Amino acid sequence: DIQMTQSPSTLSGFVGDRVTITCRASQSIRSWLAWYQQKPGKAPKLLMYKASSLESGVPSRFSGSGSGTEFTLTISSLQPEDFATYYCQHYDSYPITFGQGTRLESK
Amino acid sequence: EVQLVESGGGLVQPGGSLRLSCAASGFTFSRFWMTWVRQAPGKGLEWVANIQQDGSEKYYVDSVKGRFTISRDNAKNSLYLQMNSLRAEDTAVYYCAKNLPEILTGYLLGMDVWGQGTTVTVSS
Repeated sequence: DIQMTQSPSTLSGFVGDRVTITCRASQSIRSWLAWYQQKPGKAPKLLMYKASSLESGVPSRFSGSGSGTEFTLTISSLQPEDFATYYCQHYDSYPITFGQGTRLESK
Repeated sequence: EVQLVESGGGLVQPGGSLRLSCAASGFTFSRFWMTWVRQAPGKGLEWVANIQQDGSEKYYVDSVKGRFTISRDNAKNSLYLQMNSLRAEDTAVYYCAKNLPEILTGYLLGMDVWGQGTTVTVSS
């Protein structure tokens, strides 16, 4: 099984900050990576797919990059509504797996 | 409006069974792979199962193989998860989700529509 490891587990930032979350795969997943945002008590929301493609309706301050085993999700200027938990997920092969999550907190 | 609505969750004893349902609306259900994802209390997301458009291909996480069965009824725009031999570790919120396909290849790209989730609690 492909293991997905996110870092950091918790991240703090101010509104306006640029923040980056990293996701590493235990083997190459090419570009088959998605990012999700989840707020407490809510379902996850798809942000990015195929590593760097922005889902429709998602603000352009979100961007993704990477291929192979290392990927990043960057928020260029944190907004109040961005404080949430973020998950990466691979789609390269079964079983599909998620990272353990990165909690983005307000500093 | 594109929507998924889960139902069927509840409290069940260890070893018991439960059938979750997910009603889809606002899109052509039969054209998309569908997924169940779960989230244990205070924990992260765990993929559970996928089913192809016509139900001919199904995939499961190892921890539920032989106990859970994913199925669908395209005539009823509905997705199901039959859960047998339930264990305490199956306690979670269960979400159904629609998959976003790559236009040219049909490869799955991510889960773009999610339901609100239904809670399953396995306890004596």
